[in-house]
This record gives sequence, structure tokens and C-alpha cells, in this order.
Amino acid sequence: DQQVKQNSPSLSVQEGRISILNCDYTNSMFDYFLWYKKYPAEGPTFLISISSIKDKNEDGRFTVFLNKSAKHLSLHIVPSQPGDSAVYFCAASSLRGGSQGNLIFGKGTKLSVKP
Amino acid sequence: ETGVTQSPTHLIKTRGQQVTLRCSSQSGHNTVSWYQQALGQGPQFIFQYYREEENGRGNFPPRFSGLQFPNYSSELNVNALELDDSALYLCASSDLTSGGASEQFFGPGTRLTVL
Repeated sequence: DQQVKQNSPSLSVQEGRISILNCDYTNSMFDYFLWYKKYPAEGPTFLISISSIKDKNEDGRFTVFLNKSAKHLSLHIVPSQPGDSAVYFCAASSLRGGSQGNLIFGKGTKLSVKP
Repeated sequence: ETGVTQSPTHLIKTRGQQVTLRCSSQSGHNTVSWYQQALGQGPQFIFQYYREEENGRGNFPPRFSGLQFPNYSSELNVNALELDDSALYLCASSDLTSGGASEQFFGPGTRLTVL
């Protein structure tokens, strides 16, 4: 049973518009969430994170929103650029009990930003 | 600052053989986590090493084993290789502090093919 779900395998957006990538989770013990970007033949690159004590975290063009009651988070990219085209992974973990190592990943969403 | 490096980049083995994959953590990081990423899936947590001790393990059989060295580099060993072990193996390093959140930084991965 998948604890972290990214239900859209792919997303296509026009350059300059907003990209919204969604992620749902089922385990209420998760209290730390991360987004990673992955290009082919490279390892995942950390983008942005959010702890469950917040509902929003912003870093430049990237904003992550967390809705704990809905067990849902989203990554907004504004404005989208062609270089943002990659696979985006949502990951979750529980900081309680020192289990920071066990990141649970979704299957990823492939974002294509068209010029 | 040196990032996470992994070797080799590609490897081909036959069923039943044994393999060792290597990872050098990012400067200043004391923790290494290993993940397996099958085609079309998100990375799956194998185990984590913190200060040379195993600090958490995912749902992988005992033929997956690891080591961490005093310089915080790490090895992943897989015995009795099976066809399903074909995947991208990712190493991630982080600075695990008690009670704190820590992003994991990934290496480029080792692509293992088992024939």
C-alpha cells in the first residue's frame, strides 16, 4: 500500500505559467515533507521542504503548501521555465523516533514546460 | 564543498553473483542512506548508517547489507543477485542531528543490471 501518492504521472505547462504538482499521503505520523527534482542520468536534487508545524514554505519560484487535515501537499512553481522540465518526487518522513532516514517517496510526476 | 559521489556508474552482473557499490558522503555529513529505484518507481529506502552503525532498515532481505567507514563513506553489498535487483541504486548523505530535520543529498546513482 502506497503511503505517498502522486496521482498525476505527467504534467505539461506553458513557459511563464504556474506549475502545480500534487501529493497525497496516508500515514498521519509523517511530519516532514520534501520535494526533489530529478533529471535523467542524475540523482534527485533537493528542492524544498516543509515541516508539519507550517502550512507554507517559499523559496524563490518554489512554494510548498501543506494541508494536514487533507493529508495533501502541493508544489507551486511560478513562473515555470523550460529548465524546470524534470521528474518531481514528493517524499515524507517522520522525525519522531529518530527515523529521519526513512524517506518514503511517491512515484513521481514528469513535468514538461513548453517554450 | 564536495557533493555525494558513487561508484561505479554502471555495472552488469549475472544472477547469483555478489556486488559492492560505493558512496562518498558530502563533506560535513555523518549519515548515509541507500535507496533502490526501479524503473518507473520512486526510490525505496534500503537502510541508513549513522556513525558506522545501522540506523534503520527498509523492507529488504538480509542479502542486502552495508557498511559505513570512519570517514563516513559507505558500501552497499548485495549477495545472491536476482533479476529483480536490476535498478538504480542511490546513496544520500545528510547531517543527522538529534531532534532536527535534515535534507538528504543524493549522488548520481549506480545503474545495476542483473542478467
